[in-house]
Amino acid sequence: ELKVEQNPLFLSMQEGKNYTIYCNYSTTSDRLYWYRQDPGKSLESLFVLLSNGAVKQEGRLMASLDTKARLSTLHITAAVHDLSATYFCAVGFSGGGADGLTFGKGTHLIIQP
Amino acid sequence: NAGVTQTPKFQVLKTGQSMTLQCAQDMNHNSMYWYRQDPGMGLRLIYYSASEGTTDKGEVPNGYNVSRLNKREFSLRLESAAPSQTSVYFCASSLRASDEAFFGQGTRLTVV
Repeated sequence: ELKVEQNPLFLSMQEGKNYTIYCNYSTTSDRLYWYRQDPGKSLESLFVLLSNGAVKQEGRLMASLDTKARLSTLHITAAVHDLSATYFCAVGFSGGGADGLTFGKGTHLIIQP
Repeated sequence: NAGVTQTPKFQVLKTGQSMTLQCAQDMNHNSMYWYRQDPGMGLRLIYYSASEGTTDKGEVPNGYNVSRLNKREFSLRLESAAPSQTSVYFCASSLRASDEAFFGQGTRLTVV
């Protein structure tokens, strides 16, 4: 059974600071996704990481994937209030497995002025 | 750009009532999913359909049934609603299983 663990689950930080969210998973996979969810809203895709060593950046967010360590990170640089949201990582299998994506519990991020 | 459309957006049921949540996608995706989201639990897969004509149980299928009506539509039915089924339900689709999933706007269901 694939398990996906995120940490921290809750993070309160100040604007301008840097921080990293970690996503560990238990079974070999080279497909990892990051999503953002605002309160009361749906999930919005942020990053698609499809190979070992993949790195994607969008504004103040950067995601990376280390398939050997079964670890992905989401790094926030110089945080701003607009990045306050819940962030989920999700892992899929590339071998044609039909189970869809397995999600972590999410990291609730609050960025204070 | 409709993407994934769910109906209804909100619903209140009494214990024992039945209802069907509807989901349709216009992206020509093969795979469709139903998740539920509860506080502190992340998203948990209820049922999925890897392709038209097939459905399979996910992590938490008890109390639910699904129908893949055609390639576009995937419905979720609660035959006899229970308070434990109070949740936010998301439908999602992807081109293939394990690909990036695209989500509908969610259905907030309360069972009293």
